[in-house]
Amino acid sequence: GQQLNQSPQSMFIQEGEDVSMNCTSSSIFNTWLWYKQEPGEGPVLLIALYKAGELTSNGRLTAQFGITRKDSFLNISASIPSDVGIYFCAGRQGGSEKLVFGKGTKLTVNP
Amino acid sequence: AAGVIQSPRHLIKEKRETATLKCYPIPRHDTVYWYQQGPGQDPQFLISFYEKMQSDKGSIPDRFSAQQFSDYHSELNMSSLELGDSALYFCASSLGRRGVLGGYTFGSGTRLTVV
Repeated sequence: GQQLNQSPQSMFIQEGEDVSMNCTSSSIFNTWLWYKQEPGEGPVLLIALYKAGELTSNGRLTAQFGITRKDSFLNISASIPSDVGIYFCAGRQGGSEKLVFGKGTKLTVNP
Repeated sequence: AAGVIQSPRHLIKEKRETATLKCYPIPRHDTVYWYQQGPGQDPQFLISFYEKMQSDKGSIPDRFSAQQFSDYHSELNMSSLELGDSALYFCASSLGRRGVLGGYTFGSGTRLTVV
């Protein structure tokens, strides 16, 4: 089945640093979404991307839909302790209802 | 703003029992999706409904069934529970199919523990 390769698997950073994570696939996706999940809670949508090349920001977060439709990245600038959590990329292919998720990036921010 | 409501939040069942999980989508959302997330895993798609009809199917065991009712809420029925069914079960909803009108919003999930 479709797979999304998300990296890095985990990150340990100092407060104030910038963070970058990405997802790649061998298949084309029509939609890329980035979610944050905290323990015992559901994924919370951060950014949704619908067009190849689209670059979208949400506060300190910026995400891009790769021009090849096979990748996406998420950047977090000036990280703060409450950014801690697991970040998932998710993609949807044409003709399908389902989202395929990456394995997640666990972010730890040291004050 | 109203979110996706799931009940119960926690459920403990014994092997071979049945369980019913409920999902109430965001008002006006017409599409519901069910996902299963095992410990330390990413969410896996089970099934979806659009306007009360099944719209897509993923890796849902035959022991599970689901439906969407006239008020758009959905229920996931799980029978002959196995230890491996222990997981977080999430419901998501969207306006329009495939989340094209604003993305998919997830509920807080139901943690099912099978003992």
